[in-house]
Amino acid sequence: NAGVTQTPKFRVLKTGQSMTLLCAQDMNHEYMYWYRQDPGMGLRLIHYSVGEGTTAKGEVPDGYNVSRLKKQNFLLGLESAAPSQTSVYFCASSPGFQETQYFGPGTRLLVL
Amino acid sequence: SQQGEEDPQALSIQEGENATMNCSYKTSINNLQWYRQNSGRGLVHLILIRSNEREKHSGRLRVTLDTSKKSSSLLITASRAADTASYFCATDAGKSTFGDGTTLTVKP
Repeated sequence: NAGVTQTPKFRVLKTGQSMTLLCAQDMNHEYMYWYRQDPGMGLRLIHYSVGEGTTAKGEVPDGYNVSRLKKQNFLLGLESAAPSQTSVYFCASSPGFQETQYFGPGTRLLVL
Repeated sequence: SQQGEEDPQALSIQEGENATMNCSYKTSINNLQWYRQNSGRGLVHLILIRSNEREKHSGRLRVTLDTSKKSSSLLITASRAADTASYFCATDAGKSTFGDGTTLTVKP
């Protein structure tokens, strides 16, 4: 099992550009999450999903959109990137809400 | 505000010593988890303790939970240089469940 994978691993964007981060899990988990982590800080929840076709806002949802069209995939979109969105983005999945979470390796995003 | 907050922010010890870090939270929980993050990597789950448990062990890790004080502690015994990492607690309550972590440095 690959667990949780994220693509891409690293990306540089210019202000105003858009992009989509892909998260995939092969553990048949219902719940999936997107977090951002800024230097020296913990994780802040952006959006999460409690099942295929559902999404919900987390602590810091502004500037991001998500979709869960397939159970195994959770996409995070930035419609118009801003320098404040420079961060490391982590995806996670769990069998139940906030039960043991399995994390992907992260995506480093730099917005210039 | 964050649900889980770790203390201390940083901890530096010699190899072989024990390391203790604490976590406080604000609202009732069903479970509390501890995670480790090596520099530049994703978080790795260490241990989950449920609200009806007071103590749990896993190898060199010992976790306690005091629901009356809304706090938990993680003890790493006989630390090794490879234990150098950031440690986070997380609860199942609220949308912001991770604190800023405790950065542990174990000197060889």
